[in-house]
Amino acid sequence: SQQGEEDPQALSIQEGENATMNCSYKTSINNLQWYRQNSGRGLVHLILIRSNEREKHSGRLRVTLDTSKKSSSLLITASRAADTASYFCCGKRGGADGLTFGKGTHLIIQP
Amino acid sequence: DAGVTQSPTHLIKTRGQHVTLRCSPISGHKSVSWYQQVLGQGPQFIFQYYEKEERGRGNFPDRFSARQFPNYSSELNVNALLLGDSALYLCASSRLDRESNEQFFGPGTRLTVL
Repeated sequence: SQQGEEDPQALSIQEGENATMNCSYKTSINNLQWYRQNSGRGLVHLILIRSNEREKHSGRLRVTLDTSKKSSSLLITASRAADTASYFCCGKRGGADGLTFGKGTHLIIQP
Repeated sequence: DAGVTQSPTHLIKTRGQHVTLRCSPISGHKSVSWYQQVLGQGPQFIFQYYEKEERGRGNFPDRFSARQFPNYSSELNVNALLLGDSALYLCASSRLDRESNEQFFGPGTRLTVL
């Protein structure tokens, strides 16, 4: 079963605008990660936030985590055409468990 | 440094056949994980191997098996292929660091079962 659920499923914005994607998960996690995937290719790790952190920044990315609501958000500021991709959140429960991905948000940046 | 490599990039098989997919991790990474991604879905965890031992397994039938070699490369085997096995199969390597467990993904093998 997929633990993470991203919202919205698809998002189309103009270049330069900010894009916000949300993620909800079901069980307790040690950390939550966001990955990007371009056109059905391999995934690229964007950012990791630990369960004891509430907010984290990396370049144009800002991630928040609310463990009480089991939710996270990814904000991409000043979007670029190259940001067009699918974005996935995934939880890491611990030990040797694999990552549990949601269905992703497909982001389209209009030039 | 080379990233995670997978072979082949594309593969077409017919129902009932078997398939072997290969993965080479990033140098120094001892953990390899396999994921299946069907169209429109997120990746689903199949296996994780570390130091040649299975350390985790997802909810996949016994038709799926894997192994890891002394050089940490890995193979994923799928027997008695079904149409529903058509998917992008992703391999990821990591240091298996409890602090991060950031995984580095290969480009995937796209399997089509006819």
